[in-house]
Amino acid sequence: QLQLRESGPGLLKPSETLSLTCSVANYSISSCCYWGWIRQPPGKGLEWIGSIYRGGATFYTPSLKSRVVISSDTSKNEISLHLTSVTAADTAKYYCTRSILDESSGYSHWGQGIVVTVSS
Amino acid sequence: SYELTQPPAVSVSPGQTATITCSGHKLEEKFVTWYRQKSGQSPVLVLYHDALRPSGIPDRFSGSKSENSATLFIDEIEDLDEADYFCQAWGGSADGAFGTGTTVTVL
Repeated sequence: QLQLRESGPGLLKPSETLSLTCSVANYSISSCCYWGWIRQPPGKGLEWIGSIYRGGATFYTPSLKSRVVISSDTSKNEISLHLTSVTAADTAKYYCTRSILDESSGYSHWGQGIVVTVSS
Repeated sequence: SYELTQPPAVSVSPGQTATITCSGHKLEEKFVTWYRQKSGQSPVLVLYHDALRPSGIPDRFSGSKSENSATLFIDEIEDLDEADYFCQAWGGSADGAFGTGTTVTVL
């Protein structure tokens, strides 16, 4: 059964770079699907950050495009998220996800999420 | 950026049908997905491609779409359906945009 597990620092200072890793178990990231990152600020709704297709092509939401990079390491079967110049507005729970097939089919698999707080 | 608007809250009596709307410009031209998120849990996909159910989602969940809106229906609603529900749109400038979310309360 596919498992997604997010890891990374829980606390950052403003202007630092957020780096998160999604470890994927029981499924090869290069074999299928879109692997996405989605975040949720405390008490608020969901925000799609971006995705990577089968460990290759990347897609980002316009509002974050200048600060975000999603990459993959197929040898480790991991997906990474890097978000530069963080501010308090980036405080959120970050989820790693996988689509059913194409991205328009939605994300059928979600990790437990990791809470990231940006504070001086 | 593309905006999707949902009613903040919907309240329904047990056994009735909950109707959750998602409004967005030319939504008819886009694919809509729906997620359920219970308190403290990760979201769960309940509908994709407007009205298709992933495996494990009961047929009490259904969807429809018109020119500028999509609707999620939850028939025979039960206490376990209490959650926040989010729509998401794909296609053109909407790629990945989420709706504002609707809290469903079973009275």
